[in-house]
Amino acid sequence: GAVVSQHPSWVICKSGTSVKIECRSLDFQATTMFWYRQFPKQSLMLMATSNEGSKATYEQGVEKDKFLINHASLTLSTLTVTSAHPEDSSFYICSARMSGGGGAFFGQGTRLTVV
Amino acid sequence: AQSVTQLGSHVSVSEGALVLLRCNYSSSVPPYLFWYVQYPNQGLQLLLKYTSAATLVKGINGFEAEFKKSETSFHLTKPSAHMSDAAEYFCAVSDRSNQGGKLIFGQGTELSVKP
Repeated sequence: GAVVSQHPSWVICKSGTSVKIECRSLDFQATTMFWYRQFPKQSLMLMATSNEGSKATYEQGVEKDKFLINHASLTLSTLTVTSAHPEDSSFYICSARMSGGGGAFFGQGTRLTVV
Repeated sequence: AQSVTQLGSHVSVSEGALVLLRCNYSSSVPPYLFWYVQYPNQGLQLLLKYTSAATLVKGINGFEAEFKKSETSFHLTKPSAHMSDAAEYFCAVSDRSNQGGKLIFGQGTELSVKP
């Protein structure tokens, strides 16, 4: 159990366009999901906490107008990178939290390349 | 505030040798602690977690970790390394109010296994 699916696995887009990344919990409900960003050979940096039915909570330094998060249901959160620029190129990973202290389960990540 | 420090960005062992990956944490409240493994261009897989039960935690693939409050450590060990263990390993901390969801990660340790 505890499967989190992230789509797409990789995407290439042109500068100025927007890209949507989906994160789905397949076999459990997740009232809270998390979005991380990972640069090559570096650790994961938490970008925001996505709460079902309410606004996301962004970490300091993350532009909420740039990285739009929507958590419309108990199994789906989306991250939209708006007006993408080459510096937005990165590996984006989502996770979903199980209740009861079970921890978080991660999607397989999305490699975004902006050209 | 919570933080995690992983000592050694790169560890190299021979196949069959002991694996020891070090993790020290800082937390003002009793923490949840986790070890994750990441293979190239993939998401994170949970190896094991400490959530206040037994201090010696056994995980998947023969890994285990011991929570030592006096040393604020949560080192990961495996008695005998296998070639398939070569990957990036992340230690992470969460406070209990987040139920292990919102994670603060260490810098990561790349494990290499020599034949």
